[in-house]
Amino acid sequence: DVKVTQSSRYLVKRTGEKVFLECVQDMDHENMFWYRQDPGLGLRLIYFSYDVKMKEKGDIPEGYSVSREKKERFSLILESASTNQTSMYLCASTFGGAVGTEAFFGQGTRLTVV
Amino acid sequence: GENVEQHPSTLSVQEGDSAVIKCTYSDSASNYFPWYKQELGKRPQLIIDIRSNVGEKKDQRIAVTLNKTAKHFSLHITETQPEDSAVYFCAAREAGGFKTIFGAGTRLFVKA
Repeated sequence: DVKVTQSSRYLVKRTGEKVFLECVQDMDHENMFWYRQDPGLGLRLIYFSYDVKMKEKGDIPEGYSVSREKKERFSLILESASTNQTSMYLCASTFGGAVGTEAFFGQGTRLTVV
Repeated sequence: GENVEQHPSTLSVQEGDSAVIKCTYSDSASNYFPWYKQELGKRPQLIIDIRSNVGEKKDQRIAVTLNKTAKHFSLHITETQPEDSAVYFCAAREAGGFKTIFGAGTRLFVKA
């Protein structure tokens, strides 16, 4: 059974805190992604990585950064959490290559910033 | 960049009826179109996908059609069952890139 695991299911943080969301996959996938999910807005891409130490901005990168030091791990960092970053965060991974393939998602982290 | 629009946002059908969800995309070079189902409190999971060299694909009660000229693709669920109730997302993957852009989702209710 394929596994994408996010470190926390629920998090509550204070405004201004630095927040780390961790994602680990055991499928040796090249590509990893961070999305946020908000009602009526679908899944919006924050950042993605196609290789170790490589990162690319998605559609809504402001206020976020990422780190990929190992192939299996992709971290999302909220430099200074704000209330408008309260959301569900989903990590995903796919095989590499030019042809699109299935994305496997983590279980999600519901972050509340107070 | 790619933009994906999805309609309707909410769909309610009677058990046994068919359900159709439609999506349009903006980048004519996109070449991979997956559909994901997300049940309440669970992660999205792939239910069917189609590539740009195919016009239609079926898997039991689920089918997807792709019209490249019009840049739209649709999900068809026949003989709906209560367990089909979920949020469905369409997506398009940019050709030559890594980004998969999702639609806003359709919440499907199947009434028993």
